[in-house]
Amino acid sequence: DTAVSQTPKYLVTQMGNDKSIKCEQNLGHDTMYWYKQDSKKFLKIMFSYNNKELIINETVPNRFSPKSPDKAHLNLHINSLELGDSAVYFCASSQISDRGYTFGSGTRLTVV
Amino acid sequence: SQQGEEDPQALSIQEGENATMNCSYKTSINNLQWYRQNSGRGLVHLILIRSNEREKHSGRLRVTLDTSKKSSSLLITASRAADTASYFCAINENDYKLSFGAGTTVTVRA
Repeated sequence: DTAVSQTPKYLVTQMGNDKSIKCEQNLGHDTMYWYKQDSKKFLKIMFSYNNKELIINETVPNRFSPKSPDKAHLNLHINSLELGDSAVYFCASSQISDRGYTFGSGTRLTVV
Repeated sequence: SQQGEEDPQALSIQEGENATMNCSYKTSINNLQWYRQNSGRGLVHLILIRSNEREKHSGRLRVTLDTSKKSSSLLITASRAADTASYFCAINENDYKLSFGAGTTVTVRA
């Protein structure tokens, strides 16, 4: 199936831990994104990468470090997790801005 | 940064009725997009309307765009229970950024 897949789907961890979320797309898209959706369903862009290069860092704390080893992968590493990091994180990809984005199914992160 | 603001926040309708939701934004856009999110799932792209277009159709969906009023509307005709979801408008400001609002939650009653 052509898709954006992210793992894990659920992540429960203690404050202060470090965790990673992986994302892969097999759509051949050039651009990948991370979004954070809070408990009120508001979606906020965190990062945009185009062909492995960081394009947008939307004032995200530097505890969040994205890494794109190739244009099909965009992983998100989070250091020193805080309670406020609890949210659903979505990976997405697109080819050009004149087309819609394809989203992964999300990773629900719960920090306790 | 700018984002779409949807109205109403929530909508409850009977199966077979039409559902209309609106989106307003503040500055110039390349295009405006609508997405659907079922509970616990990712967002699914529904329709994209470019800044030089006024209306687009896709199946039971109709989207309008009024750039002079900086607003858009999404109409779902003949709603079904499967249309129960949250609907988001998203503003495309540039090639690498799509900004979303908080969405409209639509409940279709059988």
